[in-house]
Amino acid sequence: EPEVTQTPSHQVTQMGQEVILRCVPISNHLYFYWYRQILGQKVEFLVSFYNNEISEKSEIFDDQFSVERPDGSNFTLKIRSTKLEDSAMYFCASRFGASNQPQHFGDGTRLSIL
Amino acid sequence: GEDVEQSLFLSVREGDSSVINCTYTDSSSTYLYWYKQEPGAGLQLLTYIFSNMDMKQDQRLTVLLNKKDKHLSLRIADTQTGDSAIYFCAERPGGSQGNLIFGKGTKLSVKP
Repeated sequence: EPEVTQTPSHQVTQMGQEVILRCVPISNHLYFYWYRQILGQKVEFLVSFYNNEISEKSEIFDDQFSVERPDGSNFTLKIRSTKLEDSAMYFCASRFGASNQPQHFGDGTRLSIL
Repeated sequence: GEDVEQSLFLSVREGDSSVINCTYTDSSSTYLYWYKQEPGAGLQLLTYIFSNMDMKQDQRLTVLLNKKDKHLSLRIADTQTGDSAIYFCAERPGGSQGNLIFGKGTKLSVKP
C-alpha cells in the first residue's frame, strides 16, 4: 500500500540553525499538510498546501516557517532559525483530491533543538 | 474555538472489548477520524465517519457518533495485546481545507 515517507527520522540541530524536513507524499495525492506534536501534547496543525500554494495555516506557522514543493514528489518544511521550543515530532500528511478522502500520515521526524 | 477531548488512559484485559470515547465542540465538523499511534511510529488511519452517519463498522472496529451530544466512540472487539497503542480522535471542521483538530490521545493498555 502506498505510504507517506519522511526523512530524516531524527534530526538534531543547534538553536539558531536552519533545518529542512522532507516528505514524499503519496504520488496521486493533491493536498499536503504539516503537523507537529510537542512531547506529551496534542498533534497540532501547521499548514496545508494545494496547487502549489499555502491554502491554510495556523498561528504556529509564523515567518520562521516555510513550505515548498520543489519538484513533483517532495514536500518540505523549512524552519529558518530554530528555537528550543521547536523541538517536536513533525508529521507530514497527504490526501487525495475528493473531500471525503482521509489524510494519510508519515512516521514523522523527531526534531531536537540543542 | 474547536476542541477535542479524550480520556488519557484505558486498561482492558485481552479478549475484552475496549471503548474509547471522544467529545468535540465544532458542530460543523464534516468528518471524524480515529488514528492509532504505536510507540515510535506515525499516525495510522484506523477508520473515519461522515457526520451524517450514526455508526460505521469495520471488522473489529465500531464507530458510534452522537451528533447531538458531539460524542464519538471507538469500540474494539476482542482486544488483543497488539492493540496496545495511543488512539487519537480528530475532527475536520467544516469550511477548512481539511486540516484536522486532534485530541490528546487515549493510551490503551491491553493486559494478557
